[in-house]
Amino acid sequence: TQLLEQSPQFLSIQEGENLTVYCNSSSVFSSLQWYRQEPGEGPVLLVTVVTGGEVKKLKRLTFQFGDARKDSSLHITAAQPGDTGLYLCAGEHNTNAGKSTFGDGTTLTVKP
Amino acid sequence: DVKVTQSSRYLVKRTGEKVFLECVQDMDHENMFWYRQDPGLGLRLIYFSYDVKMKEKGDIPEGYSVSREKKERFSLILESASTNQTSMYLCASTLSLAENIQYFGAGTRLSVL
Repeated sequence: TQLLEQSPQFLSIQEGENLTVYCNSSSVFSSLQWYRQEPGEGPVLLVTVVTGGEVKKLKRLTFQFGDARKDSSLHITAAQPGDTGLYLCAGEHNTNAGKSTFGDGTTLTVKP
Repeated sequence: DVKVTQSSRYLVKRTGEKVFLECVQDMDHENMFWYRQDPGLGLRLIYFSYDVKMKEKGDIPEGYSVSREKKERFSLILESASTNQTSMYLCASTLSLAENIQYFGAGTRLSVL
């Protein structure tokens, strides 16, 4: 099993602060996804990155795929209570097309 | 929108019972997956299926089996439930091998007493 490590595991911040979540592996991924999961629900896709060095922006969220396609980061600017949730990264390898390896998640709490 | 529906949100079963978790997707997706989610362990793949009547073991298949008799339905079976199978179970589907965006159901929280 190719591992994905996320950090930090837990993050509690005040509304308006910025934060970054990291997703790291020793393996190269053909694509990487970020999902957000709210309590009592299944994960929902936020973004897919496929090119080394790629940066994607989704409103206040910025996603970056490492040049070597082994790591990724999610940066949230001016966090809001609605950003609270579990953030999961998931990577797909060329050798395991169609299957994803999930990180164990970052639980974000944004306090008003 | 793709909809993945899991038949139960909460289940309470006794040790030794046979348990069926059902999952249905409505977008003609080829691939379907069953995961369990436990605190600190993330999502772990139990079984997946690339086609009707086809199944492959994931990372933690022990104690589970699956059935995919129709394309839209993927069932997870616990032949004899045990307390260590208490968990959140998530079903997901993807359109094809080339498109790996996973669409998840809302999950079934299973407690085995």
